[in-house]
Amino acid sequence: KAGVTQTPRYLIKTRGQQVTLSCSPISGHRSVSWYQQTPGQGLQFLFEYFSETQRNKGNFPGRFSGRQFSNSRSEMNVSTLELGDSALYLCASSPEQGGIGNSPLHFGNGTRLTVT
Amino acid sequence: QQQVKQSPQSLIVQKGGISIINCAYENTAFDYFPWYQQFPGKGPALLIAIRPDVSEKKEGRFTISFNKSAKQFSLHIMDSQPGDSATYFCAASESGNTPLVFGKGTRLSVIA
Repeated sequence: KAGVTQTPRYLIKTRGQQVTLSCSPISGHRSVSWYQQTPGQGLQFLFEYFSETQRNKGNFPGRFSGRQFSNSRSEMNVSTLELGDSALYLCASSPEQGGIGNSPLHFGNGTRLTVT
Repeated sequence: QQQVKQSPQSLIVQKGGISIINCAYENTAFDYFPWYQQFPGKGPALLIAIRPDVSEKKEGRFTISFNKSAKQFSLHIMDSQPGDSATYFCAASESGNTPLVFGKGTRLSVIA
C-alpha cells in the first residue's frame, strides 16, 4: 500500500500571501489529521477530518482552515501568512478516529513551509 | 498548557548502552500512550504503544514502562545502535473524540 503523500514537499511564500497544502491518505483510511511541527513547540494539532467533516480543531487562529473531499484527500489552507507560520506541516491518516489504539496515525513526510 | 511533558530534550548514548526517555502527563483520562520515531526528512512513525492496564510492554529492544499513579511513562532502548539516532516523541490520547497530544520530542544520538 502506498503511504501518505503530501504535496508539495517545499514551499516558500511571502508574508501576507496564502498557501494550500495537499494530503492523500492511505487507501481506505477515512480520517486525516494535520499537525504543525516546529523546533520549539514540537507537534501541535491543527485539525482532524473524518468523512468530510471536521471532527476536532486545535488552538490555531482562523487563518488556518482545512477540508476533506469525498475520496478522503485533504487540503489545508493558511491565509495572510505570518513569519511564525514557517514550519513543517504534517498530515496523518488513520482508518478511524486518529491516534487511538486501534487506529494509529500514519504520517506523511510533510510540507516544509518557509515564510519570508 | 502542555499536557505531555517530555525529557530530556537531547540525549547522547554510547553504542550498546541504554537510552531512556521520560514523559509525564496531567490528564488522568488519557488511556493510550504511543511513542513515535522520526528520522530527518521523514514523518514520525509509530514505534510502540501501551495502555494503562499494563505496566510494561516490550517489542524487541524497545520497552515502555508505565506508572499510572505517578502519571509517567518512559521509553527504554536497550543495546542502542547508531541506527536508532532519531527524534522520539511520546504522546497520549483519550478514547473517544480527542486528538493525539505529543511531547516536544527528544533528539537521540547514539555514538560508536
